Amino acid sequence: EAGVAQSPRYKIIEKRQSVAFWCNPISGHATLYWYQQILGQGPKLLIQFQNNGVVDDSQLPKDRFSAERLKGVDSTLKIQPAKLEDSAVYLCASSLDLGNTIYFGEGSWLTVV
Amino acid sequence: GENVEQHPSTLSVQEGDSAVIKCTYSDSASNYFPWYKQELGKGPQLIIDIRSNVGEKKDQRIAVTLNKTAKHFSLHITETQPEDSAVYFCAASKYSGYSTLTFGKGTMLLVSP
Repeated sequence: EAGVAQSPRYKIIEKRQSVAFWCNPISGHATLYWYQQILGQGPKLLIQFQNNGVVDDSQLPKDRFSAERLKGVDSTLKIQPAKLEDSAVYLCASSLDLGNTIYFGEGSWLTVV
Repeated sequence: GENVEQHPSTLSVQEGDSAVIKCTYSDSASNYFPWYKQELGKGPQLIIDIRSNVGEKKDQRIAVTLNKTAKHFSLHITETQPEDSAVYFCAASKYSGYSTLTFGKGTMLLVSP
């Protein structure tokens, strides 16, 4: 069974530029998560989707971050404009449903210079 | 909200020794406690989990213990091998409805041959 797919794996941008990350969850998984992992810390939830609806986006910096999962499968996370402190690994994860085991992708590494 | 503390931040052992990582949590309603292993450049991988109706769970060389009264849980790795070297994260959630995982800051385990 294929795991959670993410792209791009690595991205370097200048501050104030924009970037987008794409995620394809495990087939059949209704719940999709985006986490931010800053170097030396544990992952922190940014946003959680159930199918194409947002369950929790309380920790998403909405002035610069946006995410969508229009058809309830793939998802895109966008940052515009980027700040230096956005340098992190952006992890996409999915679970079969709410409350089930969460599986992570390899992550997208972002460096803002 | 939930707060998870994890100790130690780094742990060095000799191959064949045992390793113990401890976590405490703040929300007494949490009832699901997974452990993830993260190798360099990869996403977190679930290695074992425990629910609040169980005090201990084993899977070959790894085990997790839970003390709900004290609100702490621990990961035990026996007969450590160099390939066990990685960052280990504990997490906690209510494992129901819309609750997602809160992670500790991680423990870097180094197993020397």
